[in-house]
Amino acid sequence: EVQLVESGGGLVKPGGSLRLSCAASGFTFSDYTINWVRQAPGKGLEWVSSISSSSTYIYYADSVKGRFTISRDSAKNSVFLQMNSLRAEDTALYYCARVQFGGSKGAFDIWGQGTMVTVSS
Amino acid sequence: DIQMTQSPSTLSASVGDRVTITCRASQSISRWLAWYQQKPGKAPKLLLYKASSLESGVPSRFSGSGSGTEFTLTISSLQPDDFATYYCQQYNIEGTFGQGTKVEIK
Repeated sequence: EVQLVESGGGLVKPGGSLRLSCAASGFTFSDYTINWVRQAPGKGLEWVSSISSSSTYIYYADSVKGRFTISRDSAKNSVFLQMNSLRAEDTALYYCARVQFGGSKGAFDIWGQGTMVTVSS
Repeated sequence: DIQMTQSPSTLSASVGDRVTITCRASQSISRWLAWYQQKPGKAPKLLLYKASSLESGVPSRFSGSGSGTEFTLTISSLQPDDFATYYCQQYNIEGTFGQGTKVEIK
């Protein structure tokens, strides 16, 4: 079964750090661009970051640039999101999502179930 | 940055109705647009990509059109399973989402 499974969420104080993981299975992980998308409670979807199949192309939303770092490990079939200097407004459910067809430009055809990040003192 | 604006924010409709949701981009995105459906407590589900291509397994009552900056999602005959929130997304540059349209029971 093709799937993505996120982990690593939790409660963290403002200014703290957290590392999210996205484990892929059921497809050739090294062929696909992976994204992180977040959704604050009761709000809409916000694209956060993307990493291409070979890690050549990495992009961030302005709201997280300089604080978040995306990376991937093909040996572990995983993508990571290192989140530093966390703020209350980073509180959200974080999804990882695959870009369809193995291209760098495409819709997100496979999504994980999400991992919740809560930033609060 | 490309901004995506959906309208309406909320739509009240009945089973069997034809429903149309509009999405506007702040600059041309060619046809690099997707539509997603999200139900409470669930991850978004891809419905259409490249403005009008139906994702595998998605019912044919869903259709999309448009190019450049104006796009529409149409549900030809609303079914009980279609009451949900719908998002457009441009993926021409990065991946901005619209603010969502909640389709609720009238």
